[in-house]
Amino acid sequence: DADVTQTPRNRITKTGKRIMLECSQTKGHDRMYWYRQDPGLGLRLIYYSFDVKDINKGEISDGYSVSRQAQAKFSLSLESAIPNQTALYFCATSVARGTDTQYFGPGTRLTVL
Amino acid sequence: GENVGLHLPTLSVQEGDNSIINCAYSNSASDYFIWYKQESGKGPQFIIDIRSNMDKRQGQRVTVLLNKTVKHLSLQIAATQPGDSAVYFCAEGGAGSYQLTFGKGTKLSVIP
Repeated sequence: DADVTQTPRNRITKTGKRIMLECSQTKGHDRMYWYRQDPGLGLRLIYYSFDVKDINKGEISDGYSVSRQAQAKFSLSLESAIPNQTALYFCATSVARGTDTQYFGPGTRLTVL
Repeated sequence: GENVGLHLPTLSVQEGDNSIINCAYSNSASDYFIWYKQESGKGPQFIIDIRSNMDKRQGQRVTVLLNKTVKHLSLQIAATQPGDSAVYFCAEGGAGSYQLTFGKGTKLSVIP
């Protein structure tokens, strides 16, 4: 969905490196989310943000941090990457209207060697 | 290539037949359900949703059925096409939370 973009689309890095994944959206949604997806597992929530002043941890936030620079931008950082953070990472957005459909970006494939 | 389909249940369907994909959800208080389609190399794409005050909802070639008694959700795809080949997963939400809980998914393979 071109309304939600992620950069980079693919990244290979080494253990101990700092990595930032970026997400931008043109949907005008207030809520943004970061998930990781591993083979055979469902999407797992890392962090979410209901607006630029609101950041919340998800179920697997250890080893990650986020920054909500603007309504349209939400970045995910791995301060010191480790191999078990190798995964697909997805950004998603939703409107601020209770539980609602989340719209996903195309994903970033991250490999940590 | 993409490997999100590894280790998932697989449904193989002949082109033109109808497909039924099932999902058991976990929280009886959930009141909002979504089906997503994820093609290889792409992010999950919204297909259809349903709220708990409904048992059935129809879209274009897709129907979602909700059975709250047994906490079961199904996605029916009519006249399945090769372009329907993907991983399909359900998500549940509500119950006072703004988060969604996602199922692991089912891989649909369409045989031409």
